[in-house]
Amino acid sequence: DSGVTQTPKHLITATGQRVTLRCSPRSGDLSVYWYQQSLDQGLQFLIHYYNGEERAKGNILERFSAQQFPDLHSELNLSSLELGDSALYFCASSDGTGDSNQPQHFGDGTRLSIL
Amino acid sequence: GDSVTQMEGPVTLSEEAFLTINCTYTATGYPSLFWYVQYPGEGLQLLLKATKADDKGSNKGFEATYRKETTSFHLEKGSVQVSDSAVYFCALKTSGYSTLTFGKGTMLLVSP
Repeated sequence: DSGVTQTPKHLITATGQRVTLRCSPRSGDLSVYWYQQSLDQGLQFLIHYYNGEERAKGNILERFSAQQFPDLHSELNLSSLELGDSALYFCASSDGTGDSNQPQHFGDGTRLSIL
Repeated sequence: GDSVTQMEGPVTLSEEAFLTINCTYTATGYPSLFWYVQYPGEGLQLLLKATKADDKGSNKGFEATYRKETTSFHLEKGSVQVSDSAVYFCALKTSGYSTLTFGKGTMLLVSP
């Protein structure tokens, strides 16, 4: 158990809809990262938050947004969903700002299926 | 930009065989290198890491040595078990940046 909790485990929805994925980091970790895992693109970094502030942005679509709340949990919002958004979305956390060599600890992911 | 290249799988081995999964990288600066493992239906777990050239990371019988001259970080295990069946990801992180860059993953299948 990594200590990172993601909900829900599975999400099935239709094109055009909007969903929210939730992540609770390990106790004490200030950094939260979001990744997308798909068969064709592999594991892609989406966005990193540190203590409530956006720290780094990767290949995140404009239809996607994230935030980190004062209690350090984070939410990833996906809107105007398309079939290609079907993927496994992982959250990871680490202590500090993430600039050091400290490893990231991953949750079990949310599997999103768009019908 | 940074990139990681792993050997394509699946790698199919019999129990107690020797394992090598190749990983090479391209990076600016001096990256830290990681191996993560993903068991079916689970998230990624950190297997081992190395933060500077010639460092050897090891865990659960797995080893990998940071080779700067060949920009490689190959994963090895002397005797695999059925329970090692999983997908293995090589990743790098450049100092001063927070993001991990992953390879595409290599599936390992170990049969009894």
